[in-house]
Amino acid sequence: SQELEQSPQSLIVQEGKNLTINCTSSKTLYGLYWYKQKYGEGLIFLMMLQKGGEEKSHEKITAKLDEKKQQSSLHITASQPSHAGIYLCGADVANAGGTSYGKLTFGQGTILTVHP
Amino acid sequence: GAVVSQHPSWVICKSGTSVKIECRSLDFQATTMFWYRQFPKQSLMLMATSNEGSKATYEQGVEKDKFLINHASLTLSTLTVTSAHPEDSSFYICSANSYTEAFFGQGTRLTVV
Repeated sequence: SQELEQSPQSLIVQEGKNLTINCTSSKTLYGLYWYKQKYGEGLIFLMMLQKGGEEKSHEKITAKLDEKKQQSSLHITASQPSHAGIYLCGADVANAGGTSYGKLTFGQGTILTVHP
Repeated sequence: GAVVSQHPSWVICKSGTSVKIECRSLDFQATTMFWYRQFPKQSLMLMATSNEGSKATYEQGVEKDKFLINHASLTLSTLTVTSAHPEDSSFYICSANSYTEAFFGQGTRLTVV
C-alpha cells in the first residue's frame, strides 16, 4: 500500500460550500506540509504542521494534524472559485531518532473545482 | 521564510541535447538539497538527494548517468538532464531545508522536442 494516502482524488463543490481533504501516513511524521498548485506551475505553500494535535488557520483554510502525527486534514470554509486548484500534502517522515530526513513524500493530489 | 531560487523557469530543448537546471538557496546554506519530478497529472516524486561535496543519492528507478547532480557549494545544486528525450519532458523542482522546514524552488518546466 501507499506510504501516504490522500483523498479524495477530485472534488467538485458549489461556491460557498465547505470541504475537507485528508492525508494519511503509514508512518509517524516529523512534519506535514500542505501546498496548492495550479497545473504546470510551482507549489504555493499553505501550511506546515509539526506538533501532534496542532491546528493552523489562514483565511478560510484550516489544517490539523492528529495527536499520533499520522493523519492530517485540510478544511476550506465557504469555498470560492479562487480556491480551485490541485492540493498536495507532503509528508516529512520521521527517522529512527524522531527527526527529519528533509525529503518529502507527496500524496497523489486532490483536484478541487469550485463552481460559481 | 527562507528562499530557494530555481533557474530556468522553463526550457525547450532538442532531443539529444543536455539541459542544466540550477537550484540556489539565497539566504541560507544547504548541505542537502532534493530534486523532484512531476509528470503531467501526477504528483511529485523524489528523484535524488543532492549532498554538498559528495555523490548524490538516487531513488530507485532514476538513472544517475542521465540525471547528473552536482552540489559544489553550500548554496548551489545543479541537475543536468543528459541526452534529453521527449519522455524526459516534465516539471522539475528542487527543495532545501532551512533548520527543520523545507522550502521549494519555483520549478522548471522542461520540454524536449
